Amino acid sequence: EPEVTQTPSHQVTQMGQEVILRCVPISNHLYFYWYRQILGQKVEFLVSFYNNEISEKSEIFDDQFSVERPDGSNFTLKIRSTKLEDSAMYFCASRDILGNQPQHFGDGTRLSIL
Amino acid sequence: AQTVTQSQPEMSVQEAETVTLSCTYDTSENNYYLFWYKQPPSRQMILVIRQEAYKQQNATENRFSVNFQKAAKSFSLKISDSQLGDTAMYFCAFMTEGGFQKLVFGTGTRLLVSP
Repeated sequence: EPEVTQTPSHQVTQMGQEVILRCVPISNHLYFYWYRQILGQKVEFLVSFYNNEISEKSEIFDDQFSVERPDGSNFTLKIRSTKLEDSAMYFCASRDILGNQPQHFGDGTRLSIL
Repeated sequence: AQTVTQSQPEMSVQEAETVTLSCTYDTSENNYYLFWYKQPPSRQMILVIRQEAYKQQNATENRFSVNFQKAAKSFSLKISDSQLGDTAMYFCAFMTEGGFQKLVFGTGTRLLVSP
């Protein structure tokens, strides 16, 4: 079964540094999402992306965040200047354009800010 | 805005028994979708079951079934014949119909299945 893949599985970064989290969505999917889960808390929506532009973003997704689909397969989340509170699990998800299909999640990237 | 509430932070069940996890939600939409996702200690997010609001019949997937009460805005998950591998966090999630359809998650229920 096709999968959403995320790299790296664990990223450790110094506060203030830029970090890029990478995702390869399922190949025929056209809707892409990033979610965040702070340890012990619920999963929160960050941003959705379709047709090479952001379709919706949450209050969490401020100016330090950006998303990009640099080529036909990758979907990236960039955090420009990381803060301690950015430490979390980041999940990428993708969805088929046909009907109301469920989102398929990657295994997540654990981001640790020191 | 939609909200999802899971009022049981933790549940325990013995192997082979049945357990029910509760979820309520709030929305003014008439058509929407509800999901249960499982998150084992590895922290993957695994889709367990989905329910379309326009379907009256409750969804089932093997040992997993839901009790969907649209008027009450309730969506509980029943796990029959619980197995040790069912130990995980379970998240209830809501998705509107149409648009770009972000998922709105509840706070989760931690389920422990013991031998």
